[in-house]
Amino acid sequence: QSALTQPASVSGSPGQSITISCTGTSSDIGSYNVVAWYQQHPGKAPKLMIYEVNKRPSGVSSRFSGSKSGNTASLTISGLQAEDEADYYCYSYAGTTTFEVFGGGTKLTVL
Amino acid sequence: QLRVQESGPGLVKPSETLSLTCTVSGGSVSTNDYYWAWIRQPPGKGPEWIASIFYTGSTYYNPSLKSRVTISVDTSKNQFSLMLTSVTAADTAVYFCAGRSYFECWFDPWGQGVLVTVSS
Repeated sequence: QSALTQPASVSGSPGQSITISCTGTSSDIGSYNVVAWYQQHPGKAPKLMIYEVNKRPSGVSSRFSGSKSGNTASLTISGLQAEDEADYYCYSYAGTTTFEVFGGGTKLTVL
Repeated sequence: QLRVQESGPGLVKPSETLSLTCTVSGGSVSTNDYYWAWIRQPPGKGPEWIASIFYTGSTYYNPSLKSRVTISVDTSKNQFSLMLTSVTAADTAVYFCAGRSYFECWFDPWGQGVLVTVSS
């Protein structure tokens, strides 16, 4: 069982927006502004899409955005495109005992 | 461009030790900018962080795996390694090595991953 809780699946049509939630606790997401989001296509390594809650690495589309409220972080993808179909994983730093935690993943289907 | 690449056996027998090596290219493992990490992903599940090491040898481990895991670094070979003892079928997973930003808490780059199956 993963430390962070995500919905198993979300879906949307091309051009629409979707939001994926990631729920943690006051020991991880609630305490640190170091939430990250990763995109993973089948058979590939995860790709960093968002770090420090809402920052985008160079080369990542501005259609991807992140936010956080309390113990829950969110990833929003606007203007859905076919290539966005993938698994998405959240991550949070969890302090000097647990250190690093990931979510169980959300499968995004573009209809 | 910084890259990492895993190597090691894809099949390990139950109760034996899993050993993997990660080679860093396009940069030095002896950098103040990165920790070096091992992460695994069981089939159909989310990633699980295993351990991280700084080039000085400073380490930190997932508490749930700590008793069975050793991470080490070889600066002369620009590599770092993972050993996981007493493996069971539950340790079957794709094992990734990755660079972990020292300051900003993200993992990038990742290797392509190696599937390790625990089976007799």
